[in-house]
Amino acid sequence: GAVVSQHPSRVICKSGTSVKIECRSLDFQATTMFWYRQFPKQSLMLMATSNEGSKATYEQGVEKDKFLINHASLTLSTLTVTSAHPEDSSFYICSCGYQETQYFGPGTRLLVL
Amino acid sequence: RKEVEQDPGPFNVPEGATVAFNCTYSNSASQSFFWYRQDCRKEPKLLMSVYSSGNEDGRFTAQLNRASQYISLLIRDSKLSDSATYLCVVNVKGGGNKLTFGTGTQLKVEL
Repeated sequence: GAVVSQHPSRVICKSGTSVKIECRSLDFQATTMFWYRQFPKQSLMLMATSNEGSKATYEQGVEKDKFLINHASLTLSTLTVTSAHPEDSSFYICSCGYQETQYFGPGTRLLVL
Repeated sequence: RKEVEQDPGPFNVPEGATVAFNCTYSNSASQSFFWYRQDCRKEPKLLMSVYSSGNEDGRFTAQLNRASQYISLLIRDSKLSDSATYLCVVNVKGGGNKLTFGTGTQLKVEL
């Protein structure tokens, strides 16, 4: 399978600050990457689809100005949570499209105080 | 109606038991099918793809019935380490790599 890394694995920040999460495909080129969020005991929720070299496509109800996505290369996509609030605390997971399916990064736990 | 439906469980089974999970999907344009496994507080990991002819990987067997829009996963000789949430996942034709996830079925294998 394909290997995807995600950094940081865990972050604690103060309310109002911005947090950047990086997602990298390590052994293949990913033209499409995906960003998910998962609250405890709930399903994965797709936030946006990140396409290399173009604007991300956001799912309904996800604020594009709050969750900034940049996919500048075939191996790197970043998600920036701007002006984070406690309700943004969650498990953020990226994935990379590969052979009709997706491979996931290990996730980032965000805690906003 | 959800696009991919699964029984949430939990399924509590003794070690060594055989357990089966079912899943139905609503979009007839679905073209690729997968089972993922997600451990508590971890990311989903691809368990296996599912084909119409059925496929087996060790103790795991997956089946697809396109006419009924039904997918199954059979786990034989359950191990404690099989305890996890199993996600039924479909890829719709023309959607690129975009996947639709079921809510998952929780399995607990007990001594």
